[in-house]
Amino acid sequence: AQKITQTQPGMFVQEKEAVTLDCTYDTSDQSYGLFWYKQPSSGEMIFLIYQGSYDEQNATEGRYSLNFQKARKSANLVISASQLGDSAMYFCAMRPNTGNQFYFGTGTSLTVIP
Amino acid sequence: KAGVTQTPRYLIKTRGQQVTLSCSPISGHRSVSWYQQTPGQGLQFLFEYFSETQRNKGNFPGRFSGRQFSNSRSEMNVSTLELGDSALYLCASSGGHNLMNTEAFFGQGTRLTVV
Repeated sequence: AQKITQTQPGMFVQEKEAVTLDCTYDTSDQSYGLFWYKQPSSGEMIFLIYQGSYDEQNATEGRYSLNFQKARKSANLVISASQLGDSAMYFCAMRPNTGNQFYFGTGTSLTVIP
Repeated sequence: KAGVTQTPRYLIKTRGQQVTLSCSPISGHRSVSWYQQTPGQGLQFLFEYFSETQRNKGNFPGRFSGRQFSNSRSEMNVSTLELGDSALYLCASSGGHNLMNTEAFFGQGTRLTVV
């Protein structure tokens, strides 16, 4: 069974500061992808970053980086230099490479304070 | 390159009616999966289609069904609507058969309200 755990229901960060959103996962699959999505109040799920289970280097996309620790089964998202527009829900998700089925965490609500 | 398009964006239906939602994936993507998002249950997987075939199915009643056309566009249908079907329905578009190192993109969702 697959399980994604996000233990931070809500987070606050000062504008221009960095913030880390936690994500741990449990899977017996050997080949999988880890994703982070941002969901503003409009509802759209915006892709932020992807990490493959066989990737040795941590993924980075602009201000987003994924701190991947395979042995610990963690995939934390780091947002550097937070902006007001970063305020949204953030979802961690895992997708086994056998299909396009995502398993989502419960999300973290991030609020950026001016 | 156009993104994932879901139509309609908003929908209000009455209990007992049926509804059809549409998802057009990114050009060249062959896989479409559907999710239901509610405040109480979070994001739940409905089903996935690849090359017109249902590849995986979540734990939803038979009132929820879907299909995929030869151009990869997908539809999902919910019959005999219940109040609990009110939700945001999202579809995800992804690439080819081998999903390693591929990203997946979601549409803006269809917000269904059942009254």
